[in-house]
Amino acid sequence: DTAVSQTPKYLVTQMGNDKSIKCEQNLGHDTMYWYKQDSKKFLKIMFSYNNKELIINETVPNRFSPKSPDKAHLNLHINSLELGDSAVYFCASSQVRVDGELFFGEGSRLTVL
Amino acid sequence: AQSVSQHNHHVILSEAASLELGCNYSYGGTVNLFWYVQYPGQHLQLLLKYFSGDPLVKGIKGFEAEFIKSKFSFNLRKPSVQWSDTAEYFCAVDPMNTGFQKLVFGTGTRLLVSP
Repeated sequence: DTAVSQTPKYLVTQMGNDKSIKCEQNLGHDTMYWYKQDSKKFLKIMFSYNNKELIINETVPNRFSPKSPDKAHLNLHINSLELGDSAVYFCASSQVRVDGELFFGEGSRLTVL
Repeated sequence: AQSVSQHNHHVILSEAASLELGCNYSYGGTVNLFWYVQYPGQHLQLLLKYFSGDPLVKGIKGFEAEFIKSKFSFNLRKPSVQWSDTAEYFCAVDPMNTGFQKLVFGTGTRLLVSP
């Protein structure tokens, strides 16, 4: 059983479209995250939800809107896609504790043409 | 700006060679430190982590890392690499120590081990 699963794994779309990426974790964690990995492999946090509440919101364009229907799911919706949005988006989860660690999904590679 | 630096972007080694990957950070105060590995086509996995206590941390697959507070460093080591260690290695720092994993990652080091 995959601990953190994301769909789709690959997404190719045109500029201006709207797309969503879904994430689910079966680890019983209370916190979920979206990280973005750009073409140079640089990983940067975008959002985090704890028990469905947004707790981390980095400087991300408001075209990106996360939604957490419950603590096991965190989706990412992106409006009006731009070329610069092409990246690998990683979902992750953790339990809030000082010695916690992130468990990552396999990533969703988004290509905007 | 506060950051995490990995100075080796690409490393090529032969099997059985020793490995040391550098990681330096610029955050003051108490930080939590991590090394993650990303094997080709796979997700990031935790290799090891440091929170407190013994500054020499042992992780999975024979990896270890040493936290040197005075040097703001957390270098990753392995005495003898294998072909299967070919991967991208990321150092990460949690500068807030709140329990929420708002990690700051380095830019990664791509390791290629030739058989």
